Amino acid sequence: GAGVSQSPRYKVAKRGQDVALRCDPISGHVSLFWYQQALGQGPEFLTYFQNEAQLDKSGLPSDRFFAERPEGSVSTLKIQRTQQEDSAVYLCASSLPSLGQVNNSPLHFGNGTRLTVT
Amino acid sequence: SQQGEEDPQALSIQEGENATMNCSYKTSINNLQWYRQNSGRGLVHLILIRSNEREKHSGRLRVTLDTSKKSSSLLITASRAADTASYFCARANAGKSTFGDGTTLTVKP
Repeated sequence: GAGVSQSPRYKVAKRGQDVALRCDPISGHVSLFWYQQALGQGPEFLTYFQNEAQLDKSGLPSDRFFAERPEGSVSTLKIQRTQQEDSAVYLCASSLPSLGQVNNSPLHFGNGTRLTVT
Repeated sequence: SQQGEEDPQALSIQEGENATMNCSYKTSINNLQWYRQNSGRGLVHLILIRSNEREKHSGRLRVTLDTSKKSSSLLITASRAADTASYFCARANAGKSTFGDGTTLTVKP
C-alpha cells in the first residue's frame, strides 16, 4: 500500500511569508507525528496527534507554528511569518496503534518537505 | 538536546566489512529502536529491541542492548554500498520518539 506522503517536496519562502505543509498518513493509522530535521542532525519532535486530538505540542518552537488534523487523517503544519531559522526538513510520520501501544510501534516516515526561507 | 547519542559520528568502510555503531541514552527505556535514513529521504525503521532483550537479529543486522550501561549497538555484517546512509537510535516515551544525531555510514565499493 501507499506510504506516508508529504507535499510539497520542496518549498522556498521569503522571510515573513506563511507556509502550509501537508501530510497524508498511511490509511488507518491513528497516530501522526511532525518532526523538524536540521542539516546533519537527527529529527526533533514537534507535535503528535491521535486521531484528531493533538496530544502533545511541546516541541513546537514558537506560536508561529500550528498543526491540525481536523478529520483524523490528513494533517497540515502551518508556519506563519517564516524566519530563516525555520529552514529545515519537516518530516511527518504515522503509526497504527493507539496510545497504549504507541511507544512500542515503529514510525513510518514520509520523505519530508525541505523548507528554505530566504 | 537529544536523548540518544550515537557514535561514531561518521564511519567509512570497504564493502564486505562489518560496521558497528553505538548509541547511549540517559533515562530508562521500554525499548530502543534503530532507523536508517538515505540522503534526501525519510527514516526507515530497522529494528526494535525491548528492555528485557539483550540481542536481536534481522538479516544482516544485529542489535544488542545493555540496560545497565544504558547503551545499544547496531552491527551490520558484510556491508554493501547500498548500506550507505545515516543510522539513528530512538527511544519513545508517551508517544514521543527522541532521536540522536546519528552515525553517517559510507560503504565504499
